Amino acid sequence: DTEVTQTPKHLVMGMTNKKSLKCEQHMGHRAMYWYKQKAKKPPELMFVYSYEKLSINESVPSRFSPECPNSSLLNLHLHALQPEDSALYLCASSSPGLDEKLFFGSGTQLSVL
Amino acid sequence: DAKTTQPPSMDCAEGRAANLPCNHSTISGNEYVYWYRQIHSQGPQYIIHGLKNNETNEMASLIITEDRKSSTLILPHATLRDTAVYYCIVRVVTGRRALTFGSGTRLQVQP
Repeated sequence: DTEVTQTPKHLVMGMTNKKSLKCEQHMGHRAMYWYKQKAKKPPELMFVYSYEKLSINESVPSRFSPECPNSSLLNLHLHALQPEDSALYLCASSSPGLDEKLFFGSGTQLSVL
Repeated sequence: DAKTTQPPSMDCAEGRAANLPCNHSTISGNEYVYWYRQIHSQGPQYIIHGLKNNETNEMASLIITEDRKSSTLILPHATLRDTAVYYCIVRVVTGRRALTFGSGTRLQVQP
């Protein structure tokens, strides 16, 4: 199984809502990532978890809260988002090593109204 | 990680080879060159990577110049399904794990 599964595929939420994005992989990877991608722009790194510990936070606003409950699962909790947070949110995983490759999910398309 | 420069867009005829260039003149000795692509509405997909030597796999070939300051991704027989944005990324071998994406090249394969 070389898949990274993200749910939901689409999400519409109001600025006062609380929602969560979910990412799952069963490749035994010990690094997991959240990227944000605006339309016609490259993906931008948000967070990196390594061995279930947060290792990189790219100065992301606190309205985005990542969680890594176990080595297979990564969540992104959303609260009080702004319309400019509307984007494609991509999850990825990798197995740490000298020439590691990232495997990406298909993303969650988020619209904040 | 070293910065990369790619042309914003390229066209290629179906069945012909697509040669996508990348400049990474500030690359250091402990940095790999990675190529990913992103087909519309999907997540990025790994294609190939290399350190010094040329590499080939079932998807593509990677040619790295001897001074390592530039590389070329070659899709030998482009199909319509190869239409995508192609990202050339330089990544340090150890240390910071994440990939930093540049603007990429939008490849349009024409029928």
